[in-house]
Amino acid sequence: AQSVTQLDSQVPVFEEAPVELRCNYSSSVSVYLFWYVQYPNQGLQLLLKYLSGSTLVKGINGFEAEFNKSQTSFHLRKPSVHISDTAEYFCAVGPMNRDDKIIFGKGTRLHILP
Amino acid sequence: NAGVTQTPKFQVLKTGQSMTLQCAQDMNHEYMSWYRQDPGMGLRLIHYSVGAGITDQGEVPNGYNVSRSTTEDFPLRLLSAAPSQTSVYFCASSYLGSTNEQFFGPGTRLTVL
Repeated sequence: AQSVTQLDSQVPVFEEAPVELRCNYSSSVSVYLFWYVQYPNQGLQLLLKYLSGSTLVKGINGFEAEFNKSQTSFHLRKPSVHISDTAEYFCAVGPMNRDDKIIFGKGTRLHILP
Repeated sequence: NAGVTQTPKFQVLKTGQSMTLQCAQDMNHEYMSWYRQDPGMGLRLIHYSVGAGITDQGEVPNGYNVSRSTTEDFPLRLLSAAPSQTSVYFCASSYLGSTNEQFFGPGTRLTVL
């Protein structure tokens, strides 16, 4: 079984400052890792994903994430946030087998301060 | 493509009433799933399906039924609504395989009085 822990339920950050949203996972099998974003009153959409290869993954809207196998982490970063980044961010894991259950973390709400 | 559609957008029920939340996708995705989203709880998987005629339970299946008679449709039935089922419900679909992006519908906001 897999589990995902997002360590911060809310993160306030000033506009144009850098941000890191933390995600740790546990799994008995190898996994794929994802970050999804949910803008207010909308469904979720994919931000980026790690399947294999380079541990640094770049996504949309200037976000990137780094897979660290030894620390079982997949933290999301952006060097300079904008007011339009206000949203809830979800880390998710999917197992590397035919069982397609994707498990989501509880989400981190990013508040951009003017 | 319309993507993933959900109806209704909003619904208010009384305790004990039954209803069906509709979900349809036009991307020929094999995998479909239902989640509920509650404050501080994130997304929790209710039921999922890997193809027509095949369904399985997720983390929180009690009080909900699903069926998958076609590739396109995956309705979620509340048998006897309870206030604890007040939530926002999301349907999602993807191609089979954990590498694939899930596409989410816009959600149904359900209130049970």
